[in-house]
Amino acid sequence: DQQVKQNSPSLSVQEGRISILNCDYTNSMFDYFLWYKKYPAEGPTFLISISSIKDKNEDGRFTVFLNKSAKHLSLHIVPSQPGDSAVYFCAAWTSGSRLTFGEGTQLTVNP
Amino acid sequence: NAGVTQTPKFRVLKTGQSMTLLCAQDMNHEYMYWYRQDPGMGLRLIHYSVGEGTTAKGEVPDGYNVSRLKKQNFLLGLESAAPSQTSVYFCASSTGQGIYGYTFGSGTRLTVV
Repeated sequence: DQQVKQNSPSLSVQEGRISILNCDYTNSMFDYFLWYKKYPAEGPTFLISISSIKDKNEDGRFTVFLNKSAKHLSLHIVPSQPGDSAVYFCAAWTSGSRLTFGEGTQLTVNP
Repeated sequence: NAGVTQTPKFRVLKTGQSMTLLCAQDMNHEYMYWYRQDPGMGLRLIHYSVGEGTTAKGEVPDGYNVSRLKKQNFLLGLESAAPSQTSVYFCASSTGQGIYGYTFGSGTRLTVV
């Protein structure tokens, strides 16, 4: 049972434009949602998180939006830069459990 | 550099061979985890530990064993490797259960032929 799903395996955008990465979840008990970024031959690194009691969290060029009624969250990157090209994992957490990850989305930002 | 160190980085095994993957962290984290990453499957939890001397099964524990004899080390063992265990393995650690984020190692790419 895949509780966290990223339905888009890949996304390609032009430098300077907005990148929108999407994530859906099924477990309404999740308390926190996180995004991780992964470059080739490296481990994932934490990017940004959001509590389930909020609907938006912003950190520089990165903003995460949470729509609890739709069980959907998205990561917006504005403006996109070539260095943002990486695999992005959505993850969710609930007390007493461990992080549950989605399948990942490969973002390619073209110069 | 402080963080999570995984050894080895690459390994090729023959079916039926055994090996141990080592994870070491120097951040005094209580929690440690082993994940595997496969195309289209994301990161799946194999085993985890909530402190020295403790281990627990994750989502895909079959074929693997773990030990946490020292707080800073978390070992993942494959007793009899199978081609289905070809994957990239990531170790991670965290201070708490996860809301503060995990720190990942750079991964071990294992191929079983």
